[in-house]
Amino acid sequence: ETGVTQTPRHLVMGMTNKKSLKCEQHLGHNAMYWYKQSAKKPLELMFVYNFKEQTENNSVPSRFSPECPNSSHLFLHLHTLQPEDSALYLCASSQGQWGQNTEAFFGQGTRLTVV
Amino acid sequence: AQKITQTQPGMFVQEKEAVTLDCTYDTSDQSYGLFWYKQPSSGEMIFLIYQGSYDEQNATEGRYSLNFQKARKSANLVISASQLGDSAMYFCAMREGPAGNQFYFGTGTSLTVIP
Repeated sequence: ETGVTQTPRHLVMGMTNKKSLKCEQHLGHNAMYWYKQSAKKPLELMFVYNFKEQTENNSVPSRFSPECPNSSHLFLHLHTLQPEDSALYLCASSQGQWGQNTEAFFGQGTRLTVV
Repeated sequence: AQKITQTQPGMFVQEKEAVTLDCTYDTSDQSYGLFWYKQPSSGEMIFLIYQGSYDEQNATEGRYSLNFQKARKSANLVISASQLGDSAMYFCAMREGPAGNQFYFGTGTSLTVIP
């Protein structure tokens, strides 16, 4: 069982819909991430939260809205998406402070298709 | 400049043979960590191995070893005794420390193990 759980695993939505992706981690980590993985492209970091505070926002369009109510949960709210937003969205968590066990643990991803 | 460079888009290896996947990195930090992840077709990113910049010995985890050459800024992954289940995408990543929260990923190498 993975320590990072993402729901849903697959999502098909129209361009006018509003949906949310959920990520939950049970590893006691204090940093959480959203990544976008499109075909033939490297992973793109979207947002980073450290101790519930957003520390990175890599010029992500406002149609993607993150929410981190606590260190264990991370959401990505989606609205008025474009077909080019279709991708695999990966959530990850890690220890926020440098030290041992500093790798990021990933969820299984949400495969999003915008029609 | 790219933080992580993986120059091999695709690699083939015979079952039971060893294979080396290349990774070079770019950082001016003295403290950083290097990671390798495996991504099967299911999409989940699986952590394989970690090397700290101050570690004097190459990291090993079972059949995985990391050939760390600091002066050349390379962190190649060696998989020994390849198995069919090793067929997947492999990503090299770096985290700059001590307070860095970002994980920088390369474009990945697709490994196919041939029976």
